[in-house]
Amino acid sequence: EEQMVESGGGLVQFGGSLRLSCAASGFMFGNYWMTWVRQVPGKGLEWVANIKRDASVSHYLDSVRDRFSISRDNAKNSLYLQMNSLRDEDTGVYYCVRDVSPKSGGRYYDAFDLWGQGTLVTVSS
Amino acid sequence: AIQMTQSPPSLSASVGDRVTITCRASEDIGNELGWYQQKRGKAPKFLIYAASTSYIGVPARFSASGSGTDFTLTINGLQPEDFATYYCLQDSYYPRTFGQGTKVEIK
Repeated sequence: EEQMVESGGGLVQFGGSLRLSCAASGFMFGNYWMTWVRQVPGKGLEWVANIKRDASVSHYLDSVRDRFSISRDNAKNSLYLQMNSLRDEDTGVYYCVRDVSPKSGGRYYDAFDLWGQGTLVTVSS
Repeated sequence: AIQMTQSPPSLSASVGDRVTITCRASEDIGNELGWYQQKRGKAPKFLIYAASTSYIGVPARFSASGSGTDFTLTINGLQPEDFATYYCLQDSYYPRTFGQGTKVEIK
């Protein structure tokens, strides 16, 4: 069964740090771009960051670019999100997401087809 | 960042109804748009990519169209399991941006 399991969330003080992990199983992890998406409970979805298959390229939400770092270890089938200088607005459920990147008309598209169950990060001021 | 505006924020409909949700981008994004469904307490489910291409296993009652700045998701013959919140996501520019969501509720 294909699945991803996040861990590492919890309660942290304003300005603190957390490292989220995502353990993937049941598929060739290294073949996929991976993404982190977050959601304040009861609110909408927010794209946070993504990383290429070989970790050579990553992109970030503007508000986290200088504070968060996405990484992966394909040998361990794992995705990470190092979060520093945490703010109140970083509170939310963080989802680890697989991007199957379907190709159409010569272009690859984002397609988040597999999601973890999410891990809750709460930043307390 | 590209702003994605969905309308309406919520709607009430009955089983069997046709429902249309719109998503407008603040800039031309071509056909680089996807749609997701999220039920309460669950992770989102992927429905559509490239503005109009259904993903594997998505029921035929879901269809989508649009290009440039204006996009629609239509559900023909709403089923009980379709009551959920729907989000659009642009994948033309970084950072990727979601619409704020449209909640489809039972009338």
